[in-house]
Parts: sequence; C-alpha cells; structure tokens
Amino acid sequence: NAGVTQTPKFRILKIGQSMTLQCAQDMNHNYMYWYRQDPGMGLKLIYYSVGAGITDKGEVPNGYNVSRSTTEDFPLRLELAAPSQTSVYFCASSYRANFPLNSPLHFGNGTRLTVT
Amino acid sequence: AQKVTQAQTEISVVEKEDVTLDCVYETRDTTYYLFWYKQPPSGELVFLIRRNSFDEQNEISGRYSWNFQKSTSSFNFTITASQVVDSAVYFCALSLTIRGGSNYKLTFGKGTLLTVNP
Repeated sequence: NAGVTQTPKFRILKIGQSMTLQCAQDMNHNYMYWYRQDPGMGLKLIYYSVGAGITDKGEVPNGYNVSRSTTEDFPLRLELAAPSQTSVYFCASSYRANFPLNSPLHFGNGTRLTVT
Repeated sequence: AQKVTQAQTEISVVEKEDVTLDCVYETRDTTYYLFWYKQPPSGELVFLIRRNSFDEQNEISGRYSWNFQKSTSSFNFTITASQVVDSAVYFCALSLTIRGGSNYKLTFGKGTLLTVNP
C-alpha cells in the first residue's frame, strides 16, 4: 500500500490564482481530512469527509473547497489564493471501525504552498 | 473549552539524557482518546501512541513511555536515553466527537520541538 499520497509536494502561487491539492489513499479508509500547519501553531482542520459524497467544514474552512466523489480521493481547492494561505497542507485518513475515536490518522507527506 | 496545550515550545538536550514532553488537555467529553505524533525534519507525521480516557495505565515502548493522569488532565511523553534521531516536533492530540457524536476530529497542540545534540 502506498498509504496517503499528496501531490504536489511544493507549489508557488501568485495572489488570486487557483489550484487543487490532490490527495489519494489506498487503504479503503472512510474518513479523510485536510489540515494546515502554520509555524508554531500546530495543525488546524480545514475540511473533513466521513465518506464518498459527504464533506463538512472544520475549524478554518474559509477560502477552501473540497469534494469527495470516491472513497480514495479528497482534493482540496483554493479558488483565489491569498498570502494567508501560505502553509503546509496535510491530508490524512482513518478507518471507521466500531469506535472511530480510536482510529489513528495516517498522514500524507504534505504540500508546501507559498502564495506571493 | 476543548483544547490541547503543550507549554514547552522547544527543548534541547544532550544525547542520552532523559526528556519529558508535557501535554495538558481540556474537554467536557467523558469518552475521548489522546494521541502523540512525531514530525521529524523530513516533515511527515508519524503516529506514536493512542490512549483512551478509561485506561490510565502507563505504557512503555522501548525508550518511549507515556504517563496518563486523568486527575491532572495530562498525558506526558518521556524519552529515555535520548538519541539524535529523536530530534523532531512532537504533537499531542485529542480526539473528540462532533456533531452529536456521529463524527470526530483530532485537535492538536502546537507541538514541542525537541533537539537532541550529540
């Protein structure tokens, strides 16, 4: 298994440009998440999905959109990039067993995005 | 309030020293899980351990040990005989139910940067 795969690894955007961060997992996990990591701030949840066709907002959803058309893929869309979106983005997934609270997250390697 | 506090922003030790990373959490839930993740300089996030709110037994895994104390809402992580390869950012996280308990999310602390010097 490849686990959670994120592409691209690095990207530089100009203000106002759009892009999609790709995330795919091959572990048949139900839950998928997008987090952003800012220096000294830990990880903040942007959006999450509990299954194909179902998405919901996390703590910091403004400026982002997501879709979940398949179990495997969970892309994150930035429509009008702003400098405040400069961050490292992590996609993660977990398996919903009988008790999802105890499912550890499996993270991708991250996408480092710079908006200038 | 539901949050995770890692008061130590950075810790620097010399190889072979023992080091404890503190984690204090707040939640009104009676059922929750606590996690530790490691983020080495390469950037990926690696799951280390999870502990549920009903199990206060301490755990040891090699040089790693975890001390969960519900009375003080703490879940501290100790590395014994630290090594240079332990240098990383360590995150403590709390798993909480949201939206009526049907879903959950992980809330992370801000992380502690551990530097182990040779």
